[in-house]
Amino acid sequence: NAGVMQNPRHLVRRRGQEARLRCSPMKGHSHVYWYRQLPEEGLKFMVYLQKENIIDESGMPKERFSAEFPKEGPSILRIQQVVRGDSAAYFCASSPQGTGYEETQYFGPGTRLLVL
Amino acid sequence: GQNIDQPTEMTATEGAIVQINCTYQTSGFNGLFWYQQHAGEAPTFLSYNVLDGLEEKGRFSSFLSRSKGYSYLLLKELQMKDSASYLCVSRGAGNKLTFGGGTRVLVKP
Repeated sequence: NAGVMQNPRHLVRRRGQEARLRCSPMKGHSHVYWYRQLPEEGLKFMVYLQKENIIDESGMPKERFSAEFPKEGPSILRIQQVVRGDSAAYFCASSPQGTGYEETQYFGPGTRLLVL
Repeated sequence: GQNIDQPTEMTATEGAIVQINCTYQTSGFNGLFWYQQHAGEAPTFLSYNVLDGLEEKGRFSSFLSRSKGYSYLLLKELQMKDSASYLCVSRGAGNKLTFGGGTRVLVKP
């Protein structure tokens, strides 16, 4: 059973370009979460999605950031007009439907974004 | 609000025991997780507590006291590969996870 897949693993962008990060959840998981980890800091929640729905985007910056989880295909985190402060590791996690233990989130390997 | 406190660093000797304490304040609390994260890698799930008490899983045990907003992770028979950051994570309303800054454990020979 493949785990959470993220690509690319490393992404280099120049200021002003767009960054597109992809996440494929574990098989059977319909909930996806995105987190950002700045160097030497803890993970910070960004957004929680189910198929075709954004459930909670309270951690997303108000501008330049967007996320989607279409009916078919991976979840996408999109950062427009990147700035140096966007350089971070972006982790995706997924969980199955249900409550309690079944809602444990399993993490992908992350995408390390470097903005030059 | 959401707040998690855990020590920044701990050092221990191979074969020893280390206890990592964590206090949390989480609205709508419904679970406490511990994750391990090696440098440059993804967090990996270690344990989950939602009821008071101790959960044991091999060399790792996790304890929760909901009334005190307190948890600890106990690592026994430390091995060099246990050198990593250990993340205390609370789950609140809406499945939202709040991460502590992590405790970096260094295991020395």
